[in-house]
Amino acid sequence: GQNIDQPTEMTATEGAIVQINCTYQTSGFNGLFWYQQHAGEAPTFLSYNVLDGLEEKGRFSSFLSRSKGYSYLLLKELQMKDSASYLCAVMDSNYQLIWGAGTKLIIKP
Amino acid sequence: EAQVTQNPRYLITVTGKKLTVTCSQNMNHEYMSWYRQDPGLGLRQIYYSMNVEVTDKGDVPEGYKVSRKEKRNFPLILESPSPNQTSLYFCASSGGTRENTGELFFGEGSRLTVL
Repeated sequence: GQNIDQPTEMTATEGAIVQINCTYQTSGFNGLFWYQQHAGEAPTFLSYNVLDGLEEKGRFSSFLSRSKGYSYLLLKELQMKDSASYLCAVMDSNYQLIWGAGTKLIIKP
Repeated sequence: EAQVTQNPRYLITVTGKKLTVTCSQNMNHEYMSWYRQDPGLGLRQIYYSMNVEVTDKGDVPEGYKVSRKEKRNFPLILESPSPNQTSLYFCASSGGTRENTGELFFGEGSRLTVL
């Protein structure tokens, strides 16, 4: 079966760096996506990786290793507004998105 | 403003009373999709549509219907709602090529409670 694993919850301190991991086992691979979802709101697109390596976008970076079935989202200079759930999703060989359950990130002052 | 609009945002209904959740996007996107989100589970796809008059089942289509008569609209129909359909529902759309359908624009969500 297809599976996306990510930690349920993480806690970090304002101003620090946090890495949210995502491992996947899917039927084929056509890209990995990260979304941010604040409580009670809709998910919003953060990043897309289809080739191995690091994609940087401001304070957020996303890394992919296809051979290991692994990705991480790196958040730097954490701000209180970064408190949210972070969803990892993989597009399989049928171009369908398989979603992880999300990682709830709690930022403490 | 580019957006996906869902209505209603909140609804409490009773078992068996047919309801429709509307979804409209103003970005001329070809791809549209419905998801449900439940605590501890990832987003689960109900139905999706690659274009007008083209719809396909997702992972959890039982108990739902959809239609895509116009490009901008993709309503979700619950013919006979049951309590296990109590959930948070999201409509989403995406433009570009098939490979780009992972970059989704979501509506604000519709919280449905079936008693």
